[in-house]
Amino acid sequence: GENVEQHPSTLSVQEGDSAVIKCTYSDSASNYFPWYKQELGKGPQLIIDIRSNVGEKKDQRIAVTLNKTAKHFSLHITETQPEDSAVYFCAASKGVGTYKYIFGTGTRLKVLA
Amino acid sequence: GAVVSQHPSWVICKSGTSVKIECRSLDFQATTMFWYRQFPKQSLMLMATSNEGSKATYEQGVEKDKFLINHASLTLSTLTVTSAHPEDSSFYICSARDGNNSPLHFGNGTRLTVT
Repeated sequence: GENVEQHPSTLSVQEGDSAVIKCTYSDSASNYFPWYKQELGKGPQLIIDIRSNVGEKKDQRIAVTLNKTAKHFSLHITETQPEDSAVYFCAASKGVGTYKYIFGTGTRLKVLA
Repeated sequence: GAVVSQHPSWVICKSGTSVKIECRSLDFQATTMFWYRQFPKQSLMLMATSNEGSKATYEQGVEKDKFLINHASLTLSTLTVTSAHPEDSSFYICSARDGNNSPLHFGNGTRLTVT
């Protein structure tokens, strides 16, 4: 079955710096890759996603890149702010609406003011 | 849009009792909802897929008689933890999607503590 690895497990950056979180997946049939942000005591919130027919997607300070050949995808946050501090999860799925998501192990991001 | 509401947000119960958690899709209909469990500082583990009008599909290792799922309407799924034990203490999160080509949206979770 699908396996998703996520690195690093913790990440501390200075406010204003960039943060990069990387994930690798094992199943070449996966074609949908969402990223979720989870704040303490809350459920995960979708922040950005990418489908396998594109290599990069941007939304303001957040971007995601996908390398299908290498089976890895990354989340990039620029100009980080203290409110970006949270746990971020990547996931892989064989279809955005049909198949279950396999989640990575999470990255705890801390943005230092 | 695509708001998933979960209730209660936290619950404390005694060992041996049962607890029901509700998951509602507020502004859309969901034929399928998903129940996850999350231990502290760990990832989300899918427990079961809740199907409106039919039986839930449980993941390997999840006891269907322990975690009863009912999806009686297009906007409501419930998870009942029966005969709860301290090891059932966890963060339970439901999710749903607004249409087959939409991503999953999660509720805010229920923290269950069994004493």
